[in-house]
Amino acid sequence: EIVMTQSPATLSVSPGERATLSCRASQSVGRNLAWYQQKPGQAPRLLIYDASTRATGVPAIFSGSGSGTEFTLTITTLQSEDFALYYCQQGDRWPWTFGQGTKVEIK
Amino acid sequence: EVQLVESGGTLVQPGGSLTLSCVASGFTFGTYWMTWVRQAPGKGLEWVASINDDGDEKFYVDSVKGRFTISRDNTEDTMFLHMDRLRAEDTAVYYCERHVMRSRSLGDWGQGTLVTVSS
Repeated sequence: EIVMTQSPATLSVSPGERATLSCRASQSVGRNLAWYQQKPGQAPRLLIYDASTRATGVPAIFSGSGSGTEFTLTITTLQSEDFALYYCQQGDRWPWTFGQGTKVEIK
Repeated sequence: EVQLVESGGTLVQPGGSLTLSCVASGFTFGTYWMTWVRQAPGKGLEWVASINDDGDEKFYVDSVKGRFTISRDNTEDTMFLHMDRLRAEDTAVYYCERHVMRSRSLGDWGQGTLVTVSS
């Protein structure tokens, strides 16, 4: 199974600043990597798929990059609604696996 | 508007069985892969099972193989997850998702249904 490791576990950021989240795969997943946002009590929401394609309705402050084993989600100009949990997920091989999540909290 | 509505979650005893349903609307159900993902209380996301558009390809996480069965009825726009020999560690919110077309990601999610396995 491909292990997905996210870092950091918690990221403290001030509103208006940039957040950079990392996701590493234990073996290459090509560009079969997605990012999700989850707020308390809600279902996850797809932000980025195929490593860098924004999902429908996702604002341009979210961007994804990377391929192979190293991926990054960047959130520019953090707003109050962006403080949440973020997960990466690989879909290259079964079983699909998620990272353990990065919590973006208000500094 | 795409809608996915899960149901069937409840309290069940260890060793028991349960079937979850996911009713889809707002899209042509029979042309999309579908997936179940679960989230134990206070924990992260775990992919459980996926099924292809016509139901003849199924994939499972090792921990549920032989106990869970994913299926779908494209005439009723509904996906199912039949769960046997339930364990305490199966306690979770179970989400139903529609794949992004031609991508290996989960584009639309239901609101989830809670399964609690406890005596």
